[in-house]
Amino acid sequence: GAGVSQTPSNKVTEKGKYVELRCDPISGHTALYWYRQSLGQGPEFLIYFQGTGAADDSGLPNDRFFAVRPEGSVSTLKIQRTERGDSAVYLCASSSQTGTEQYFGPGTRLTVT
Amino acid sequence: AQSVTQLDSHVSVSEGTPVLLRCNYSSSYSPSLFWYVQHPNKGLQLLLKYTSAATLVKGINGFEAEFKKSETSFHLTKPSAHMSDAAEYFCVVSVGAAGNKLTFGGGTRVLVKP
Repeated sequence: GAGVSQTPSNKVTEKGKYVELRCDPISGHTALYWYRQSLGQGPEFLIYFQGTGAADDSGLPNDRFFAVRPEGSVSTLKIQRTERGDSAVYLCASSSQTGTEQYFGPGTRLTVT
Repeated sequence: AQSVTQLDSHVSVSEGTPVLLRCNYSSSYSPSLFWYVQHPNKGLQLLLKYTSAATLVKGINGFEAEFKKSETSFHLTKPSAHMSDAAEYFCVVSVGAAGNKLTFGGGTRVLVKP
């Protein structure tokens, strides 16, 4: 079956612009996670959803970042007033329920110029 | 709080020789521990996981890891490296009773020489 998909695969934007990154989880997975991987580092947790609600957003770096999952399936990570330091690969993962194996998508590489 | 330390940022091995990737963790709770592999331009793939059952865990592609509570370690091994094992490997600890948030180590890049 289809895995986790993320669009776009690459996004180049100018400093100060707004971007949206999309994640389509595996069908039926109730838990969805966002991570950020900077160059040469391991992924860092941003936020996770159980159903439609954000159960833990403690990893969001500041109020320029927020994410939604209005129907409990697709999620969008939104970044306002992008900065060069936001450049990274943004990874999405889903699991059938909280605490089970997380399946990762290929990521969106964001470059802020 | 919880954290993971991967003791080697790079490991170079010859094809057919053993691989050892070292990982130490810190966790306030009984941890769940994982190893993930990331091949270039591909997504993270789970190699194996420890969730308080047997301390010796076998994973895919001939990898295994041993949970040692007294040493707070979860080292990854493989008896014989293949060229296809060249990738980045992450040791991961899950946070909280529900194991929802993953905390990753900094990664170990494995180079396999022919």
